[in-house]
Amino acid sequence: GNSVTQMEGPVTLSEEAFLTINCTYTATGYPSLFWYVQYPGEGLQLLLKATKADDKGSNKGFEATYRKETTSFHLEKGSVQVSDSAVYFCALSRTGGFKTIFGAGTRLFVKA
Amino acid sequence: DAGVTQSPTHLIKTRGQQVTLRCSPKSGHDTVSWYQQALGQGPQFIFQYYEEEERQRGNFPDRFSGHQFPNYSSELNVNALLLGDSALYLCASSLRTGTGANVLTFGAGSRLTVL
Repeated sequence: GNSVTQMEGPVTLSEEAFLTINCTYTATGYPSLFWYVQYPGEGLQLLLKATKADDKGSNKGFEATYRKETTSFHLEKGSVQVSDSAVYFCALSRTGGFKTIFGAGTRLFVKA
Repeated sequence: DAGVTQSPTHLIKTRGQQVTLRCSPKSGHDTVSWYQQALGQGPQFIFQYYEEEERQRGNFPDRFSGHQFPNYSSELNVNALLLGDSALYLCASSLRTGTGANVLTFGAGSRLTVL
């Protein structure tokens, strides 16, 4: 079945450090891939998405590229801020309104 | 523009009781999905409602049931509560399309504690 695996946290970085959170997936067909973020006390919100191979999703300085050959969708940011401290979830969904499957989440702490 | 609203935000029940959680989707959305998020885990898909019918279901027992109303709002019911049902229950709405990415808009959740 379809599944998402992401690196375990927590990840602790100093402000302005480079961030990578690894995500790999298993899926039939060609799913859409997502990163959602959950800030403390809030629900999940979409950070970025990609719908086909080699697409790059980007938002708020975060980027992720849909790599079909390695079944990966790693999240990167060149310079993190304290305000980026949150839990990040990698997810996939088949086109057409099918259910979204989430990874276990990676907690990020950014120190000033 | 109001996003997804859920109620109640917190509730405490005892084993064996029943609970009903409510969700109003984002304006313009027609599909509601429910997720269970245990502490430190990712959201687990419970079921999805579209056109007032359950369209997909995750690996949850029949104690979990739901409903969607003509105004697209939805309820999640859990019967015979177990300690393991303690979790954050998230409602997510979306617009069902035949193509394109299925982007979810989440509510803040209902925190259920079963004693």
